[in-house]
Amino acid sequence: SQQGEEDPQALSIQEGENATMNCSYKTSINNLQWYRQNSGRGLVHLILIRSNEREKHSGRLRVTLDTSKKSSSLLITASRAADTASYFCATAYLGGSEKLVFGKGTKLTVNP
Amino acid sequence: SAVISQKPSRDICQRGTSLTIQCQVDSQVTMMFWYRQQPGQSLTLIATANQGSEATYESGFVIDKFPISRPNLTFSTLTVSNMSPEDSSIYLCSVETGITISSPLHFGNGTRLTVT
Repeated sequence: SQQGEEDPQALSIQEGENATMNCSYKTSINNLQWYRQNSGRGLVHLILIRSNEREKHSGRLRVTLDTSKKSSSLLITASRAADTASYFCATAYLGGSEKLVFGKGTKLTVNP
Repeated sequence: SAVISQKPSRDICQRGTSLTIQCQVDSQVTMMFWYRQQPGQSLTLIATANQGSEATYESGFVIDKFPISRPNLTFSTLTVSNMSPEDSSIYLCSVETGITISSPLHFGNGTRLTVT
């Protein structure tokens, strides 16, 4: 399977702390994307990092990509209760079709 | 960015029946994607719907079970046919936001289906 794998599966932290989620994948990619899913809602795109990029920032989000290790991490700094959600990585495989392959997700709980 | 309306938001259906899910986008899009998200699981692509041609199904999904219509560039339907409890899932419609391959996706809020 080409599916990415996130870890941890679940993460519980206090408001103000940083949250780090990791994603590993199996074959060469065009890009890797992170999405958030609030309970009962659809997914919302957070950030895209291309295969030739190593780090990207967007507000309190920082994404890194290590193509040699086939892994990515999502860091949320100064977390808030509103960050409570499931986070998924999705990979666009090199030479593949339009479709994205989603990982299993990390369920983040930020306690007030 | 595209706004996607998906109906119904949830439904409880009896086994053996069918449910048609509608997806309306507020702008014209070339490709629409239907995903399934089983309880506590990740998303699995069911099929890609292009206007004017038959949908392209992923391995493990067939047209007889999940017929798709794409009558124009803003609308698509997915039917879950002859349902069984194993079909209980969230079904999500999505569209690409850009013109490059594998650009980010916009998602509807999903249809939460329970089959009894």
